[in-house]
Amino acid sequence: EAQVTQNPRYLITVTGKKLTVTCSQNMNHEYMSWYRQDPGLGLRQIYYSMNVEVTDKGDVPEGYKVSRKEKRNFPLILESPSPNQTSLYFCASSPAGQLQDTQYFGPGTRLLVL
Amino acid sequence: SQKIEQNSEALNIQEGKTATLTCNYTNYSPAYLQWYRQDPGRGPVFLLLIRENEKEKRKERLKVTFDTTLKQSLFHITASQPADSATYLCALLSGGYQKVTFGIGTKLQVIP
Repeated sequence: EAQVTQNPRYLITVTGKKLTVTCSQNMNHEYMSWYRQDPGLGLRQIYYSMNVEVTDKGDVPEGYKVSRKEKRNFPLILESPSPNQTSLYFCASSPAGQLQDTQYFGPGTRLLVL
Repeated sequence: SQKIEQNSEALNIQEGKTATLTCNYTNYSPAYLQWYRQDPGRGPVFLLLIRENEKEKRKERLKVTFDTTLKQSLFHITASQPADSATYLCALLSGGYQKVTFGIGTKLQVIP
């Protein structure tokens, strides 16, 4: 089944404790992206990647890192999480050159930073 | 600064009626506009895309219009059903079609 998977789905952590949220897609898509969703602010793009080793900042990249060493994986790294990073996170992917057609979203990761 | 506005208040309509949702944008020249559906606690699901040179796009009971002069897109669901109840998001593509900006969404409730 074609899908985007994220792990973990739920995470409670404390301020300053490094964490990684994994994202994997099995559709051989070139484009991958991370979003956070907050009430009243909607979905905001954190980082995106056009292909392996090619990443760029979205609208809210502060406090986050990403890497794209393999086409299928695009992990989101929070080096020193803070409470304002408490949010619902979504990973998405799209075929190369077809971002305008659609994005396939993962199920989401709900993060609480205490 | 760039801004996308969707009715943040919920829209309640009677089953069978046509629902119309609005997406307005400012300081933006998108080439593509997308509409997504999102159910509570789940990721958005792509519905329709419309290009700047297209005035209207249809898919089954869905219709999207795109007016670049008014800087507005309208999303219509005809013969609405309770199963259409969800939050609907519009998204604009820019930056070489790599960066995506979403509106906050409009919650639609279809009443039986």
